[in-house]
Amino acid sequence: DGGITQSPKYLFRKEGQNVTLSCEQNLNHDAMYWYRQDPGQGLRLIYYSQIVNDFQKGDIAEGYSVSREKKESFPLTVTSAQKNPTAFYLCASRRDNYNEQFFGPGTRLTVL
Amino acid sequence: AQKVTQAQTEISVVEKEDVTLDCVYETRDTTYYLFWYKQPPSGELVFLIRRNSFDEQNEISGRYSWNFQKSTSSFNFTITASQVVDSAVYFCALSSTGGGNKLTFGTGTQLKVEL
Repeated sequence: DGGITQSPKYLFRKEGQNVTLSCEQNLNHDAMYWYRQDPGQGLRLIYYSQIVNDFQKGDIAEGYSVSREKKESFPLTVTSAQKNPTAFYLCASRRDNYNEQFFGPGTRLTVL
Repeated sequence: AQKVTQAQTEISVVEKEDVTLDCVYETRDTTYYLFWYKQPPSGELVFLIRRNSFDEQNEISGRYSWNFQKSTSSFNFTITASQVVDSAVYFCALSSTGGGNKLTFGTGTQLKVEL
């Protein structure tokens, strides 16, 4: 079945550690996105990529990094520079020339 | 800058009641897109509908209906004869062409449907 997968579902990190969240899609979508969700809030855009080897900062990119080496994959690294990384992270993708984004199941990151 | 406001933080209804979720948006773009997503307790966002700014026709899909009014910058969502399975957080979102079609989300409305 086509879809978006994110792993792991739950992730625990010690302060000062970098951690990488995986996002893979087999929908042949061109654009991919990373959002962060905090309790009681809407989603905020971290990074997005419209094409392989290119990505743009979103509204809250500080402390995060991404890569887009393959069309199917858009991993997000949460670095130690991110002051408050505990949150729910959602990856999404969008087919070119269409506007709706489709989301993966999310990764819940907790910093201990 | 774009903005989406969902003033209703939480709504509780009894099963079979009708319920309307409000969404008000702000944008300077003449072409834009409005969306509703459902987030059940599992966390994944489920796409429900997209509306183009040049199409104000209301839409009905089963028990769901959407009312888009450009004059009041609103895109409200009504669930008719609500069911317990409708319990979720519902998000309204806005995007424009260009700039990566980024979504601007409202803060969501938690809907609780009780027996």
